[in-house]
Amino acid sequence: NAGVTQTPKFQVLKTGQSMTLQCAQDMNHEYMSWYRQDPGMGLRLIHYSVGAGITDQGEVPNGYNVSRSTTEDFPLRLLSAAPSQTSVYFCASSSQGVLADTQYFGPGTRLTVL
Amino acid sequence: GQQVMQIPQYQHVQEGEDFTTYCNSSTTLSNIQWYKQRPGGHPVFLIQLVKSGEVKKQKRLTFQFGEAKKNSSLHITATQTTDVGTYFCAGPSGGSNYKLTFGKGTLLTVNP
Repeated sequence: NAGVTQTPKFQVLKTGQSMTLQCAQDMNHEYMSWYRQDPGMGLRLIHYSVGAGITDQGEVPNGYNVSRSTTEDFPLRLLSAAPSQTSVYFCASSSQGVLADTQYFGPGTRLTVL
Repeated sequence: GQQVMQIPQYQHVQEGEDFTTYCNSSTTLSNIQWYKQRPGGHPVFLIQLVKSGEVKKQKRLTFQFGEAKKNSSLHITATQTTDVGTYFCAGPSGGSNYKLTFGKGTLLTVNP
């Protein structure tokens, strides 16, 4: 199993550009989530999904969109990038949400917005 | 909203010394999880504590969950250079099944 994969590993955008961060998992997990990590801020939840077709907002959802058309994939879209979105983005998955289960994290995408 | 505080923010030790990081939640937690993130890496799950007063050990690592389920600690005995990284605690937000709140982490550096 590859676990949780993320692409790209690095990305540089100009302000106002859009892009999609890809996340995929091959563990048949129903729960997937996106976090951003900024220096000194820990990890903050952006959006999560409890299954195909079901998504909800986390702590810092503004400026990001998600969709979940399949169990395997959970892409994160930046509609109009801003310098404040410069961060490291991690995707995570688990079989049962956060109460009873390990969160498996992907390797991350390091995004810089100029 | 719920807050999860970790102290200290940084800790530098000599190899062989012990290390402890503390996690405090503003609300009672149903469970608490601990993660380790190596420099440049991604968070890796270490353990989950569920019961009040629970103590779990993994080799040189000892994890405790407070009696009131509002605090937790991670203790490393005789640190090694392989222990370098940031240690995070995390708990369910507001009792949600689907939202996890992370502490800001403790960065451990070890001088060989």
